Amino acid sequence: AQKITQTQPGMFVQEKEAVTLDCTYDTSDPSYGLFWYKQPSSGEMIFLIYQGSYDQQNATEGRYSLNFQKARKSANLVISASQLGDSAMYFCAMETGYSTLTFGKGTMLLVSP
Amino acid sequence: DTGVSQNPRHKITKRGQNVTFRCDPISEHNRLYWYRQTLGQGPEFLTYFQNEAQLEKSRLLSDRFSAERPKGSFSTLEIQRTEQGDSAMYLCASSEQPSSAETQYFGPGTRLLVL
Repeated sequence: AQKITQTQPGMFVQEKEAVTLDCTYDTSDPSYGLFWYKQPSSGEMIFLIYQGSYDQQNATEGRYSLNFQKARKSANLVISASQLGDSAMYFCAMETGYSTLTFGKGTMLLVSP
Repeated sequence: DTGVSQNPRHKITKRGQNVTFRCDPISEHNRLYWYRQTLGQGPEFLTYFQNEAQLEKSRLLSDRFSAERPKGSFSTLEIQRTEQGDSAMYLCASSEQPSSAETQYFGPGTRLLVL
């Protein structure tokens, strides 16, 4: 079975600082994909970044980067230079070839001025 | 805007009533997914379609739930005889490629409250 664990219920960061949101995963499938989504209070899940299990380099998308440590089964999201608009719930998710996503419980990020 | 759309955005109903939600995926996407999200949790998979074929259903999808995707375009999710435990956000997502870990793009969701 696939499992995603996000151990940080909430994180606080000041504007312009970097923040790391933790995600660990468990799967026996050698081929999988890891995703991060942002969910503002409006409810829509916004795709941020993707990492494939066979990708040699860590994924980056603008201010977002994914710190992928395969041996530790972790896929932490790093947001550089936080902005007030980054305040939201963040979900880590995994896809293992069965075409469905398994999500963690999420981390609430609050960015203060 | 050519993203995933869902209607209605909010639905309040009384226990025992039937409700139907609609999802319009991104036009070139052939896969469509339904998820349910309860308060304080991440989304949980319900079912998905490739074109008009419903390929997988979660155990969460009781007999009171039915989903369709006629003609492989929009999809509907119907809940019959609603219960208070059905109160949740229902999210629809779509993706393009059927054979790889392709990004799923989500709609804004339908918030259901069963009184």
